[in-house]
Amino acid sequence: QVHLQESGPGLVKPSETLSLTCTVSGYSISSDYYWGWIRQPPGKGLEWIGSFYHSGTTYYSPSLTSRVTISEDLSMNQFSLNLKSVTAADTAMYYCAKTSSTWSWYFDLWGRGTLVIVSS
Amino acid sequence: DIVMTQSPDSLAVSLGERATINCKSSQSVFYNSNNKNYLAWYQQKPGQPPKLLIYWASTRESGVPDRFSGSGSGTDFTLIISSLQAEDVAVYYCQQYYGNPYTFGQGTKLEMK
Repeated sequence: QVHLQESGPGLVKPSETLSLTCTVSGYSISSDYYWGWIRQPPGKGLEWIGSFYHSGTTYYSPSLTSRVTISEDLSMNQFSLNLKSVTAADTAMYYCAKTSSTWSWYFDLWGRGTLVIVSS
Repeated sequence: DIVMTQSPDSLAVSLGERATINCKSSQSVFYNSNNKNYLAWYQQKPGQPPKLLIYWASTRESGVPDRFSGSGSGTDFTLIISSLQAEDVAVYYCQQYYGNPYTFGQGTKLEMK
């Protein structure tokens, strides 16, 4: 059974970099699928941040592309999110998720999420 | 960006009654080449991540009860719960996966009347 688990600091200071890791168990991220990040501000809706494929192909939301990097550690079966120059608007629950296939980008498996608060 | 607009924002339905949630996209999410609508529906309960219910606008994910159904094409889509159960109380989101950025509707909160 495939399982995704987010981890990282729950509190980040404004202007600093938010860094999160998603650990995948039960499936090798170097085999197939796009893997990515989605966030949800408290009480609000969902926003896709970006996704990657193990070949090195990465796609980001245009609204975040200047600040975001998604990278992978295939040996650890993990992938990471770095979001720089954060503000209070980046406070959100951050989910890692898997797409159903490389050509159909709905998300069929999600982690439980990790809450990140941006505050000094 | 393709903007997804759901209606209503909230909905109260009696146990056993039908719930209908609408989703409209700012441009068509239908691909002529494969005759598919790139539209999914999710259910999110408090404190939980979203759960995939429907994809390709009308295909139920494995394990999803058949009281959930999706329909529509092009820009207008509908999620119907044919007979509301207590466990269906949640927020429901539509999502287009036609193009980057992959956008969600604002959500519809479904409550029990």
